[in-house]
Amino acid sequence: EVQLVESGGGLVKPGGSLRLSCEASGFTFSTYSMNWVRQAPGKGLEWVSSVSGSSTYIYYGDSMKGRFTISRDNARNSLYLQMNSLRAEDTAVYYCVREYYDSSGYSIGAFDYWGQGTLVTVSS
Amino acid sequence: QSALTQPASVSGSPGQSIIISCTGSSSDVGGHKFVSWFQQHPGKVPKLMIFDVTRRPSGISDRFSGSKSGNTASLTISGLQTEDEADYYCASYASGSTLVIFGGGTKLTVL
Repeated sequence: EVQLVESGGGLVKPGGSLRLSCEASGFTFSTYSMNWVRQAPGKGLEWVSSVSGSSTYIYYGDSMKGRFTISRDNARNSLYLQMNSLRAEDTAVYYCVREYYDSSGYSIGAFDYWGQGTLVTVSS
Repeated sequence: QSALTQPASVSGSPGQSIIISCTGSSSDVGGHKFVSWFQQHPGKVPKLMIFDVTRRPSGISDRFSGSKSGNTASLTISGLQTEDEADYYCASYASGSTLVIFGGGTKLTVL
Protein backbone atom coordinates (compact mmCIF):
# COMPACT_ATOMS: atom_id res chain seq x y z
CA GLU A 1 0.00 0.00 0.00
CA VAL A 2 1.37 3.38 -1.02
CA GLN A 3 1.74 5.76 1.91
CA LEU A 4 3.02 9.31 2.09
CA VAL A 5 3.39 10.85 5.54
CA GLU A 6 4.29 14.51 5.91
CA SER A 7 5.75 16.18 8.98
CA GLY A 8 7.40 19.42 9.97
CA GLY A 9 4.55 21.88 9.70
CA GLY A 10 3.77 24.42 12.39
CA LEU A 11 3.58 28.08 13.31
CA VAL A 12 6.42 30.31 12.14
CA LYS A 13 6.92 34.08 12.08
CA PRO A 14 7.17 36.01 8.81
CA GLY A 15 10.72 35.80 7.51
CA GLY A 16 11.29 32.51 9.29
CA SER A 17 12.17 29.07 7.98
CA LEU A 18 10.67 25.61 8.13
CA ARG A 19 11.64 22.22 6.73
CA LEU A 20 8.94 19.79 5.69
CA SER A 21 9.56 16.08 5.36
CA CYS A 22 7.65 13.30 3.65
CA GLU A 23 8.30 9.64 4.30
CA ALA A 24 7.20 7.32 1.51
CA SER A 25 6.48 3.61 1.59
CA GLY A 26 4.81 0.91 -0.48
CA PHE A 27 6.51 1.67 -3.80
CA THR A 28 9.96 2.04 -5.36
CA PHE A 29 10.52 5.63 -4.32
CA SER A 30 13.51 6.32 -6.59
CA THR A 31 11.46 5.54 -9.71
CA TYR A 32 8.97 8.35 -9.23
CA SER A 33 9.01 12.10 -9.56
CA MET A 34 7.74 13.67 -6.35
CA ASN A 35 6.03 16.99 -5.82
CA TRP A 36 4.74 19.38 -3.19
CA VAL A 37 1.29 20.91 -3.68
CA ARG A 38 -0.27 23.37 -1.25
CA GLN A 39 -3.75 24.58 -0.41
CA ALA A 40 -4.39 27.76 1.53
CA PRO A 41 -7.35 27.62 3.94
CA GLY A 42 -10.58 27.68 1.94
CA LYS A 43 -8.69 28.14 -1.34
CA GLY A 44 -7.69 26.07 -4.34
CA LEU A 45 -4.70 23.89 -5.09
CA GLU A 46 -1.32 25.39 -5.99
CA TRP A 47 1.63 23.43 -7.31
CA VAL A 48 4.83 24.21 -5.38
CA SER A 49 7.74 22.14 -6.61
CA SER A 50 8.85 18.95 -8.36
CA VAL A 51 11.93 16.74 -8.23
CA SER A 52 12.66 13.84 -10.58
CA GLY A 53 13.59 10.39 -9.31
CA SER A 54 17.32 10.95 -9.46
CA SER A 55 17.06 14.65 -8.56
CA THR A 56 18.28 15.59 -12.05
CA TYR A 57 15.30 17.81 -12.77
CA ILE A 58 13.95 20.29 -10.23
CA TYR A 59 11.23 22.87 -10.77
CA TYR A 60 9.51 25.53 -8.66
CA GLY A 61 6.41 27.66 -8.84
CA ASP A 62 7.08 31.31 -9.60
CA SER A 63 6.38 32.61 -6.09
CA MET A 64 8.61 29.96 -4.50
CA LYS A 65 11.74 30.45 -6.57
CA GLY A 66 14.71 31.59 -4.52
CA ARG A 67 12.95 30.85 -1.23
CA PHE A 68 12.05 27.14 -1.32
CA THR A 69 14.37 24.18 -1.96
CA ILE A 70 13.12 20.69 -2.75
CA SER A 71 15.29 17.65 -2.20
CA ARG A 72 15.04 13.91 -1.74
CA ASP A 73 16.97 11.07 -0.17
CA ASN A 74 16.21 7.87 -2.04
CA ALA A 75 18.09 5.77 0.52
CA ARG A 76 15.68 7.02 3.18
CA ASN A 77 12.59 7.08 0.90
CA SER A 78 12.13 10.68 1.90
CA LEU A 79 11.20 13.98 0.27
CA TYR A 80 11.95 17.39 1.76
CA LEU A 81 10.98 21.02 1.31
CA GLN A 82 13.14 23.71 2.88
CA MET A 83 11.16 26.93 3.10
CA ASN A 84 12.93 30.22 3.85
CA SER A 85 11.79 33.84 3.98
CA LEU A 86 8.27 32.70 4.72
CA ARG A 87 5.36 35.07 4.12
CA ALA A 88 1.80 35.16 5.39
CA GLU A 89 0.63 34.04 1.94
CA ASP A 90 2.60 30.80 2.33
CA THR A 91 0.11 29.72 4.99
CA ALA A 92 -1.39 26.48 3.68
CA VAL A 93 -1.63 22.75 3.99
CA TYR A 94 1.34 21.28 2.17
CA TYR A 95 0.80 17.92 0.47
CA CYS A 96 3.48 15.48 -0.59
CA VAL A 97 2.34 13.92 -3.86
CA ARG A 98 3.57 11.24 -6.21
CA GLU A 99 3.49 11.71 -9.96
CA TYR A 100 1.97 8.91 -12.04
CA TYR A 101 4.34 6.66 -13.94
CA ASP A 102 3.79 3.54 -16.03
CA SER A 103 5.30 1.80 -19.02
CA SER A 104 4.26 4.75 -21.19
CA GLY A 105 6.39 7.07 -19.09
CA TYR A 106 5.66 9.94 -16.77
CA SER A 107 2.51 11.99 -16.81
CA ILE A 108 3.30 15.52 -15.69
CA GLY A 109 0.74 16.82 -13.21
CA ALA A 110 -0.95 13.46 -12.75
CA PHE A 111 -0.66 13.20 -8.98
CA ASP A 112 -1.93 9.75 -8.11
CA TYR A 113 -1.09 9.53 -4.41
CA TRP A 114 -1.33 12.28 -1.82
CA GLY A 115 -0.27 12.47 1.79
CA GLN A 116 -2.66 13.80 4.42
CA GLY A 117 -0.84 17.12 4.43
CA THR A 118 0.92 19.23 7.03
CA LEU A 119 -0.27 22.70 7.99
CA VAL A 120 2.13 25.61 7.80
CA THR A 121 0.99 28.84 9.43
CA VAL A 122 3.00 32.01 8.93
CA SER A 123 1.95 34.64 11.42
CA SER A 124 3.43 37.03 13.94
CA GLN B 1 1.46 32.27 -15.28
CA SER B 2 -2.21 32.65 -14.32
CA ALA B 3 -4.35 29.83 -13.06
CA LEU B 4 -6.45 27.92 -15.56
CA THR B 5 -10.03 29.19 -15.80
CA GLN B 6 -12.83 27.03 -14.44
CA PRO B 7 -16.44 27.97 -13.67
CA ALA B 8 -16.89 28.65 -9.97
CA SER B 9 -19.86 26.33 -9.73
CA VAL B 10 -21.98 23.89 -11.69
CA SER B 11 -25.01 21.91 -10.65
CA GLY B 12 -27.08 19.00 -11.82
CA SER B 13 -29.71 16.52 -10.73
CA PRO B 14 -29.09 12.86 -10.01
CA GLY B 15 -28.84 10.89 -13.22
CA GLN B 16 -28.01 13.90 -15.37
CA SER B 17 -24.69 14.71 -17.02
CA ILE B 18 -22.59 17.79 -16.41
CA ILE B 19 -19.51 19.25 -18.00
CA ILE B 20 -16.80 21.26 -16.25
CA SER B 21 -14.54 23.30 -18.49
CA CYS B 22 -10.92 24.28 -17.96
CA THR B 23 -9.55 26.99 -20.22
CA GLY B 24 -5.91 27.85 -20.65
CA SER B 25 -3.66 28.71 -23.54
CA SER B 26 -1.45 27.12 -26.18
CA SER B 27 1.36 27.16 -23.61
CA ASP B 28 -0.49 24.82 -21.30
CA VAL B 29 -3.80 23.05 -21.95
CA GLY B 30 -3.69 23.45 -25.71
CA GLY B 31 -0.08 22.51 -26.21
CA HIS B 32 0.21 18.87 -25.07
CA LYS B 33 -1.53 15.87 -23.50
CA PHE B 34 -0.76 16.50 -19.81
CA VAL B 35 -4.14 17.57 -18.44
CA SER B 36 -5.47 16.06 -15.23
CA TRP B 37 -8.62 16.36 -13.12
CA PHE B 38 -8.95 15.98 -9.37
CA GLN B 39 -11.95 15.53 -7.08
CA GLN B 40 -11.84 16.86 -3.53
CA HIS B 41 -14.55 16.30 -0.95
CA PRO B 42 -14.67 18.71 2.02
CA GLY B 43 -11.89 18.00 4.48
CA LYS B 44 -10.45 15.27 2.27
CA VAL B 45 -7.37 14.84 0.15
CA PRO B 46 -7.66 15.42 -3.62
CA LYS B 47 -8.17 12.34 -5.77
CA LEU B 48 -6.93 11.86 -9.31
CA MET B 49 -9.88 11.23 -11.64
CA ILE B 50 -8.48 11.79 -15.14
CA PHE B 51 -4.96 12.21 -16.53
CA ASP B 52 -3.40 12.62 -19.97
CA VAL B 53 -6.67 14.36 -20.99
CA THR B 54 -8.70 11.14 -21.30
CA ARG B 55 -7.16 8.35 -19.21
CA ARG B 56 -8.76 7.07 -16.03
CA PRO B 57 -6.71 5.65 -13.16
CA SER B 58 -7.58 2.16 -12.03
CA GLY B 59 -10.72 2.15 -9.92
CA ILE B 60 -12.25 5.34 -11.28
CA SER B 61 -15.78 4.96 -12.59
CA ASP B 62 -16.32 5.25 -16.35
CA ARG B 63 -18.99 7.85 -15.54
CA PHE B 64 -16.03 10.24 -15.48
CA SER B 65 -14.49 11.15 -18.83
CA GLY B 66 -12.17 13.81 -20.16
CA SER B 67 -11.71 15.57 -23.46
CA LYS B 68 -9.97 18.56 -24.98
CA SER B 69 -10.61 20.99 -27.81
CA GLY B 70 -8.05 23.66 -28.52
CA ASN B 71 -7.12 25.42 -25.30
CA THR B 72 -10.09 24.07 -23.32
CA ALA B 73 -10.24 20.76 -21.53
CA SER B 74 -13.47 19.33 -20.17
CA LEU B 75 -14.53 16.85 -17.52
CA THR B 76 -17.84 15.13 -18.11
CA ILE B 77 -19.65 13.33 -15.32
CA SER B 78 -22.54 11.23 -16.49
CA GLY B 79 -25.26 9.61 -14.39
CA LEU B 80 -24.70 12.11 -11.58
CA GLN B 81 -24.76 10.68 -8.08
CA THR B 82 -25.02 12.49 -4.77
CA GLU B 83 -21.50 11.38 -3.86
CA ASP B 84 -20.16 13.27 -6.87
CA GLU B 85 -20.84 16.52 -5.03
CA ALA B 86 -17.34 17.91 -4.46
CA ASP B 87 -14.80 20.44 -5.70
CA TYR B 88 -13.10 19.63 -8.98
CA TYR B 89 -9.74 20.96 -10.13
CA CYS B 90 -7.99 20.73 -13.46
CA ALA B 91 -4.22 20.82 -13.80
CA SER B 92 -1.93 21.13 -16.78
CA TYR B 93 1.71 21.02 -17.70
CA ALA B 94 2.83 24.54 -18.55
CA SER B 95 5.76 25.23 -20.84
CA GLY B 96 6.76 28.47 -19.24
CA SER B 97 8.31 29.59 -16.01
CA THR B 98 6.43 27.00 -14.01
CA LEU B 99 5.85 23.29 -14.54
CA VAL B 100 2.27 22.68 -13.47
CA ILE B 101 -0.67 25.03 -13.08
CA PHE B 102 -4.05 24.32 -11.51
CA GLY B 103 -7.45 25.70 -12.27
CA GLY B 104 -9.25 27.71 -9.63
CA GLY B 105 -11.66 24.88 -8.89
CA THR B 106 -15.33 24.21 -9.55
CA LYS B 107 -17.89 23.36 -6.90
CA LEU B 108 -20.30 20.72 -8.13
CA THR B 109 -23.69 20.63 -6.44
CA VAL B 110 -25.95 17.65 -7.00
CA LEU B 111 -29.46 18.94 -6.43
